[in-house]
Amino acid sequence: DAMVIQNPRYQVTQFGKPVTLSCSQTLNHNVMYWYQQKSSQAPKLLFHYYDKDFNNEADTPDNFQSRRPNTSFCFLDIRSPGLGDAAMYLCATSSFAQGIDSPLHFGNGTRLTVT
Amino acid sequence: AQKVTQAQTEISVVEKEDVTLDCVYETRDTTYYLFWYKQPPSGELVFLIRRNSFDEQNEISGRYSWNFQKSTSSFNFTITASQVVDSAVYFCALSEYGGATNKLIFGTGTLLAVQP
Repeated sequence: DAMVIQNPRYQVTQFGKPVTLSCSQTLNHNVMYWYQQKSSQAPKLLFHYYDKDFNNEADTPDNFQSRRPNTSFCFLDIRSPGLGDAAMYLCATSSFAQGIDSPLHFGNGTRLTVT
Repeated sequence: AQKVTQAQTEISVVEKEDVTLDCVYETRDTTYYLFWYKQPPSGELVFLIRRNSFDEQNEISGRYSWNFQKSTSSFNFTITASQVVDSAVYFCALSEYGGATNKLIFGTGTLLAVQP
């Protein structure tokens, strides 16, 4: 049973055309994360939510925004995608109740192509 | 600054060989957490193990074992009798002690190819 679900699996967008990636979870975890992973690189944290509290990494471009309307869903919005934003985007969750070292549960990712 | 180094970019072994993946970390925190994740071709990151900085006991889980040594800031991962299904990218990660959230800092990963 998929617990962290990302849609779509593959997304193609045009240069400059806004795109939204979605993530849902059935784990009821209070923390959700968005990571960007470029080809052959390590995943890089963009931002995370603790409940509704949004936390942006200092080096996350302004072009990236996020929304979390409820516990189960989180969205990544890229306002004006550039060619350099082509990457795999990974959503993850964790539960503070399970301890501060609780492992992250990742979705399958959305591979974004910018043409 | 916190950093994770996986010096081995790619490793190729033949099935049934043992293989060790190296991980070296840097942190100024006295409390920290280390993780290993597996990323198969399908893309999802699969959690394998976590270890906190106060627990230096090595761990074995089936064909997998982990060697944590604070003296050398290393957290190495060994697969015994490797199988083709072990082929994946393996990431070592370090967690900042950040209260409620677990912000992982990943190494660059090691691509393991197990040949039949």
